[in-house]
Amino acid sequence: GAGVSQSPSNKVTEKGKDVELRCDPISGHTALYWYRQSLGQGLEFLIYFQGNSAPDKSGLPSDRFSAERTGGSVSTLTIQRTQQEDSAVYLCASSPGTSLRAYEQYFGPGTRLTVT
Amino acid sequence: RKEVEQDPGPFNVPEGATVAFNCTYSNSASQSFFWYRQDCRKEPKLLMSVYSSGNEDGRFTAQLNRASQYISLLIRDSKLSDSATYLCVVNNLGGGYQKVTFGTGTKLQVIP
Repeated sequence: GAGVSQSPSNKVTEKGKDVELRCDPISGHTALYWYRQSLGQGLEFLIYFQGNSAPDKSGLPSDRFSAERTGGSVSTLTIQRTQQEDSAVYLCASSPGTSLRAYEQYFGPGTRLTVT
Repeated sequence: RKEVEQDPGPFNVPEGATVAFNCTYSNSASQSFFWYRQDCRKEPKLLMSVYSSGNEDGRFTAQLNRASQYISLLIRDSKLSDSATYLCVVNNLGGGYQKVTFGTGTKLQVIP
């Protein structure tokens, strides 16, 4: 079946502009996660959605970052007034959310964001 | 102490060798555990879940030691294609949310 997809695959933007990153999770997966990864670094958790529950936003680094998930499916991560330190690969993952394999995450290919 | 700790390596091993990585975690209430592999400039891919009784998938064996709070990954008969960074992942529930913590990874280089 189709995996997690993300768009765009690459985004170059000027400092101060807003960007929107999109994630389409695996159909039927109720949990969705956003991470970012700077070159040579580990994954940094950003936000987690589970079903219709309020999201866990504890990883968002500043109020310039926000995310929403519409209809329990597609998610958009928005970064306002981008800064150079926002340059990273933004990864989305989904997991079934229920059953024995509830927390097995499947990642999309990521969006490489470069802020100039 | 970090929530999840891994030796960053690199582990340089010859083809055919057996290699093992450990990953320690600090929260004794952690509930589920996983190993992922990540190739250079690619997304992480689930390698295997780690079950309490230990589990094996081909050349890969994962084990959980709750008493000492670590998980391990054993790779037998290493292949060149096993070269990657191996990430351990620990899940626990906190404040009603599932909290996922990734280790920073152990780099494996299999040498011809």
